[in-house]
Amino acid sequence: EVQVVQSGGGSVKPGGSLRLSCTASGFTFSIAWMAWVRQAPGKGLEWVGRIKSAIDGGTTEFAAPVQGRFTVSRDDSKNTVYLQMNSLKAEDTALYFCTREPRDVSSPFEFWGQGALVTVAS
Amino acid sequence: SYVLTQSPSVSVAPENTARITCGGNNIGSESVHWYQQKSGQAPVVVISYDNDRPSGIPERFSGSNSGNTATLTISRVEAGDEADYYCQVWDRSSHHPVFGGGTKLTVL
Repeated sequence: EVQVVQSGGGSVKPGGSLRLSCTASGFTFSIAWMAWVRQAPGKGLEWVGRIKSAIDGGTTEFAAPVQGRFTVSRDDSKNTVYLQMNSLKAEDTALYFCTREPRDVSSPFEFWGQGALVTVAS
Repeated sequence: SYVLTQSPSVSVAPENTARITCGGNNIGSESVHWYQQKSGQAPVVVISYDNDRPSGIPERFSGSNSGNTATLTISRVEAGDEADYYCQVWDRSSHHPVFGGGTKLTVL
């Protein structure tokens, strides 16, 4: 059974930093691409960024609104991926989901974490 | 970048048919995935590749895709189908996923 369990989240002031964690099981994590998708209150789903597997280069890509402020890293020995969020803005307030991104860049997102709420407010 | 357009809301009486559309430029040439998201929960795939139904999804859910519109059809709607529904494709140029704005299905 696949499980994707997230931790982290909370409240932070504008300009602050926060790190989310996501631990997965039930599939071969080391070859998986992992992504973060967020959902602002009352809004739709927005892809934030991804990290490829080491075998595929381990590179990261991000959506324009977070480029340069957010980073993603992974620890394959712990089956865990991290989203480091710096220089946070009010508009980053959202429920952040961790999900396994399909390597073929054509399939759907099958496995999702439960979400972690990030609130950026003074 | 590629844009997907969904109507904000659709209302339907129980046992009737709900049709949720997703508009995009020549979307018929793309593979469309549909997600159901109930309040506060993670999205769940209900239709993949235009009209494939994952294991565990009722046969009442079906999809079609042609021209500039993809459609998710829910037959014999039940109260438990009340949720937000999102379409998704992959942007061919950026290789990034694109989500529609979502449609809230209300069961009257």
